[in-house]
This record gives sequence, structure tokens and C-alpha cells, in this order.
Amino acid sequence: DAGVIQSPRHEVTEMGQEVTLRCKPISGHDYLFWYRQTMMRGLELLIYFNNNVPIDDSGMPEDRFSAKMPNASFSTLKIQPSEPRDSAVYFCASSGFLAEAFFGQGTRLTVV
Amino acid sequence: AQSVTQLGSHVSVSEGALVLLRCNYSSSVPPYLFWYVQYPNQGLQLLLKYTTGATLVKGINGFEAEFKKSETSFHLTKPSAHMSDAAEYFCAVSLDNKLIFGAGTRLAVHP
Repeated sequence: DAGVIQSPRHEVTEMGQEVTLRCKPISGHDYLFWYRQTMMRGLELLIYFNNNVPIDDSGMPEDRFSAKMPNASFSTLKIQPSEPRDSAVYFCASSGFLAEAFFGQGTRLTVV
Repeated sequence: AQSVTQLGSHVSVSEGALVLLRCNYSSSVPPYLFWYVQYPNQGLQLLLKYTTGATLVKGINGFEAEFKKSETSFHLTKPSAHMSDAAEYFCAVSLDNKLIFGAGTRLAVHP
């Protein structure tokens, strides 16, 4: 398996624009996680899914953020409208039941 | 609620010296515990994990960690640091498959 695949690796966008981050989890994994990493706040869990269903979205900062998992092999994290304070590295990770999480390489988002 | 505290945001050691990175957790039930490493511009990689059974867990690259329930600790050690160990290390706790990370410890290794 190629591991967790995220795209794009880098995204630069202007404030107010919509940003969509994409993730393909490892085949067979039931859980998918979205994290945000910043110097100030470290690694924050934004939302996680089990069998494509959102289980806990309490970490989503505000209504501008939304995440979907239409099927077992694809998830998106959308920010609309984007703001400079959203600049961070966003990681997707997947895992099996009661197993360790495997991380993608991350998407570095810069909002100018 | 579960949480993870890593003592020391930066640790510096000499090459060949002992590495000790501290992690304490809080959890209302026995947790699953993990250590991850992150190299610059990369995602996180699993070093080792504790689920049940033996409390001393060995991982990759010569690292190991000991689960001490009485101290609610899961400290990471390596007998002899190598230059390639310089990275950021994260302790994490999992409950019901929700993985929560500590703030991380940046390890510097000097010649």
C-alpha cells in the first residue's frame, strides 16, 4: 500500500478563497483523522470518522471548516472562506480498530 | 477527559548520551499509548506503542518506553543518541480510537 496520500502538498491561496484538502486513507482502515499543526497550538485533532461517519468534530474551529468522507477511500477538508490564521500544516491519518494511526505527508496551507 | 503532558519542549544531548523524553498522561481508563517521531517537512511515524501486556515496549531505531501506571507515565528512552535522532517527538494517548497528542519535544543531538 502507498500509505495515506494527501493532496496538494502545498497550497497558497488568498484570503476569502475556498480551499479543499484531500486525503486517501490506507485501504481497509476504518478510521480517518484530520489534524492541524501549528507552532502555537501543536497538533490539534479537528475531526475523525469511523466507517465514513463523523464521530467527533469538536475540534473543528468554526463553521468555515467542514469535512466529508463520501466513501471509504476518500475524504476532504474544506475551508470557506479561508483566513490568514488558517495557515498551518494539515495532516490526514488513518487506522484500523484499536491500532496505531498512519499519517500522510501533510498539506502546507498558506493563506495570504 | 484524557490528556498528554510532555515535559520539556526542547531537549539537547550529546551524541552517544542517554536520551530521555518524558510523557505523562491522564485517562479515566487504561489507555493505549504511543510515541511518534516527526522529521522536518514530514508526517508522523510510529516509534512504538503500548496496548496491553508487557510494560516495557521496544520500538524502532533503538528506542523503548516503559508504561508505569502508578506514575501515569510513558517515558521514551534510548541508551545512546545518534545524530539522526534529531527530530520532534510526540507522545499520544488513545481512547476509543481517538488519538490525542502532547505538545511535542524537539530533540537536538550535538557532536
